[in-house]
Amino acid sequence: QVQLQESGAGLVKPSETLSLTCSVSGDSMHDFHWGWIRQPPGKGLEWIGNIYTTGPTKYNSSLVSRLTISVDTSKRQFYLRLHSVTAADTAVYYCTRHRYGFGSAFWGQGILVSVSS
Amino acid sequence: DIQMTQSPSTLSASVGDRVTITCRASQSISGWLAWYQQKSGKSPKLLIYQVSALESGVPSRFSGSGAGTDFTLTINGLQPEDFATYYCQQYSDDWTFGQGTKVEMK
Repeated sequence: QVQLQESGAGLVKPSETLSLTCSVSGDSMHDFHWGWIRQPPGKGLEWIGNIYTTGPTKYNSSLVSRLTISVDTSKRQFYLRLHSVTAADTAVYYCTRHRYGFGSAFWGQGILVSVSS
Repeated sequence: DIQMTQSPSTLSASVGDRVTITCRASQSISGWLAWYQQKSGKSPKLLIYQVSALESGVPSRFSGSGAGTDFTLTINGLQPEDFATYYCQQYSDDWTFGQGTKVEMK
């Protein structure tokens, strides 16, 4: 069974960089899209961006200037870095596996990241 | 960017009801639409992909339909475990989610 697990700092100071790792187990990473989605407290889902196993990325246009997503298949991990964070970036961050055309069938449990001094 | 407008934002229903949620895209997304269910404090769960294909293990009371820009999620015979928030997602051009529909008990 595929499992995804987010990890990283739960508290980040304003203007600093939010860094998260998603660790993948239970299946190969190849031939899938790996995504990050966030959900501010009490609000809906927002797509952040995703990366294909071989490296092409797609980013939310509202975040692209601050965002880097990367993958390391040898470690079975992919990563999110969001720079210059503000309180508006406070959210539960989810990582997902998306099979092209078939939706995101696997999600991590989510990690709450708060931006506060 | 493609925008997804979901309605209603909240829906009150009773067990056994037929429930319909709609999602409209700002431009055609062909068949690249999925529906997710999210319960409080949990990760979203994929219900339907490619407009109408049921994800493995999802009860057949869930169904999806539509084409182009207009799509519908229907729950036939609402069950107690179906009270949750539902999101549509387009993955035709990048990804976008609808705002969500909370199905609550009447």
